[in-house]
Amino acid sequence: KAGVTQTPRYLIKTRGQQVTLSCSPISGHRSVSWYQQTPGQGLQFLFEYFSETQRNKGNFPGRFSGRQFSNSRSEMNVSTLELGDSALYLCASSFGVREELFFGEGSRLTVL
Amino acid sequence: KQEVTQIPAALSVPEGENLVLNCSFTDSAIYNLQWFRQDPGKGLTSLLLIQSSQREQTSGRLNASLDKSSGRSTLYIAASQPGDSATYLCAGTPSGGSYIPTFGRGTSLIVHP
Repeated sequence: KAGVTQTPRYLIKTRGQQVTLSCSPISGHRSVSWYQQTPGQGLQFLFEYFSETQRNKGNFPGRFSGRQFSNSRSEMNVSTLELGDSALYLCASSFGVREELFFGEGSRLTVL
Repeated sequence: KQEVTQIPAALSVPEGENLVLNCSFTDSAIYNLQWFRQDPGKGLTSLLLIQSSQREQTSGRLNASLDKSSGRSTLYIAASQPGDSATYLCAGTPSGGSYIPTFGRGTSLIVHP
């Protein structure tokens, strides 16, 4: 059974650019959530999707957005990148609400 | 608002030691508590999930306990090995309102030969 797959694993962007990250959840999982991890702030919740609907959103600016497709795959987008957006972006999937979370390997974003 | 604290932040032990990692949470209205392992630059690997109705869960050399009344969970690692070196994080999922888990900052463990 395949795990959570995130692409790309590594990427380098410059300030002002935008980036799209992709996440394929475990087959059968309908909930996908995104987290930002930095050494200074730890793991911070970005947003959570279930059946193509965003049900929860963390305290991040509107430059951070996401969506979920009918096959449960999810993307997140960050526009007008800032240096502070450099982080490991993690995607997690679960079968449903309050179920066990399974994480992908993450996408390491570096903003220059 | 739930706060999750993990003490110590870092731990270095010789191989073979039994050790305990601590996780404290401020709101006892917790639905479940999950322990994860994270290797440098990698994602989180789920180790154990304890439901609020359970007191402990075991997997191999790992044993996790949950005491809601005191707001604490512990992860016990028996006979530690160098391969156990990683950061261990706990996350509490609330039972009411938002169901988004709150993560601790983790305990960085080094097991030296």
